[in-house]
Amino acid sequence: KQEVTQIPAALSVPEGENLVLNCSFTDSAIYNLQWFRQDPGKGLTSLLLIQSSQREQTSGRLNASLDKSSGRSTLYIAASQPGDSATYLCAALFYPNKLIFGTGTLLAVQP
Amino acid sequence: NAGVTQTPKFRVLKTGQSMTLLCAQDMNHEYMYWYRQDPGMGLRLIHYSVGEGTTAKGEVPDGYNVSRLKKQNFLLGLESAAPSQTSVYFCASREGNTEAFFGQGTRLTVV
Repeated sequence: KQEVTQIPAALSVPEGENLVLNCSFTDSAIYNLQWFRQDPGKGLTSLLLIQSSQREQTSGRLNASLDKSSGRSTLYIAASQPGDSATYLCAALFYPNKLIFGTGTLLAVQP
Repeated sequence: NAGVTQTPKFRVLKTGQSMTLLCAQDMNHEYMYWYRQDPGMGLRLIHYSVGEGTTAKGEVPDGYNVSRLKKQNFLLGLESAAPSQTSVYFCASREGNTEAFFGQGTRLTVV
């Protein structure tokens, strides 16, 4: 079964810390992996997309890595800010075209 | 450029009533998806489509039907709504290996 898991389910850190969010998937035959941010009661905002042939992608303070062989992706957030507080979701595009989400990590950055 | 538009944004149904949610995309994308999101959970795939006239089951298809008569529209139907179908519904579309784009969500309450 194609599944995506995110650990931890919730994370609280003080402002300024660097942090890592984890995403694991059961089937290494993925086309790509996408990270999203969701604020309470809102829709999804796309953060980064990593193709299966890539190892990492960067956007500002965000860096996402992908290791297909181990079935893992990480989202690194540098110098966290209270405005980073949100739920972070990863989604893997499995063969043949199933886009499956993890359960998310609820991040709270304390001022 | 509207992207992905969901109609309606909010709806309250009585148990046993039927309704159809519309997802429309103007990007000529081949692939479209319907998800539900319950409190504290990630998005779960209900049904998806890999092109006009095609549909396939996702992780939680029971109680829902879908149709993709036109490439730009993906309809999600509830024939006999149940309280367990109270949720926020998201639609998405994508093309090739590019990122998935999401609608703003439909908040459905079944009483």
